[in-house]
Amino acid sequence: AQSVTQPDARVTVSEGASLQLRCKYSSSVTPYLFWYVQYPRQGLQLLLKYYSGDPVVQGVNGFEAEFSKSNSSFHLRKASVHWSDSAVYFCAVSRTGNYKYVFGAGTRLKVIA
Amino acid sequence: EAAVTQSPRSKVAVTGGKVTLSCHQTNNHDYMYWYRQDTGHGLRLIHYSYVADSTEKGDIPDGYKASRPSQENFSLILELASLSQTAVYFCATEGGQNTLYFGAGTRLSVL
Repeated sequence: AQSVTQPDARVTVSEGASLQLRCKYSSSVTPYLFWYVQYPRQGLQLLLKYYSGDPVVQGVNGFEAEFSKSNSSFHLRKASVHWSDSAVYFCAVSRTGNYKYVFGAGTRLKVIA
Repeated sequence: EAAVTQSPRSKVAVTGGKVTLSCHQTNNHDYMYWYRQDTGHGLRLIHYSYVADSTEKGDIPDGYKASRPSQENFSLILELASLSQTAVYFCATEGGQNTLYFGAGTRLSVL
């Protein structure tokens, strides 16, 4: 069975600082990997997704993520965060041809001045 | 204009009562999903559907029924609401590009 672990429930960073949100997955095959963001009182929105190719994938608003098969990880990064990045970030996986998605518990990001 | 619309946005229900949550899409996507969000658990799949008049159980279907009367509409039904079903419920669609499109959610409180 697939699973996703986001070890950090809450992360606080200063505006302008760099960011890394961690995601570890468990899957018997290389899955599709996703990062979604949830702003207050809104549904989730896709930031980026990965299946194959270059292990570093670019997303919206300056976010990128790096896939590591050896570490079973898909960490999200941003070089310089803005206060508007404050939100909850979810890592998710799905198997090829399987339309069921498994989500991590989410990481709440707070950006402070 | 929102492509996935959920109604109501919030609801207070009594224990043992019937609750229907509705979802309408204009994406023309085949797949529709109902997720439940609880603090510390992320999103968990309740039911999903890939075609009208057919639904499938997700990971936590107990206590919930689903109905897909048309391509556009997907409902989640709680026949006998319980306190443990207090949560935020999200509808999502997926059209073959491995991207989920979410509604804004319904906040359900069962008292």
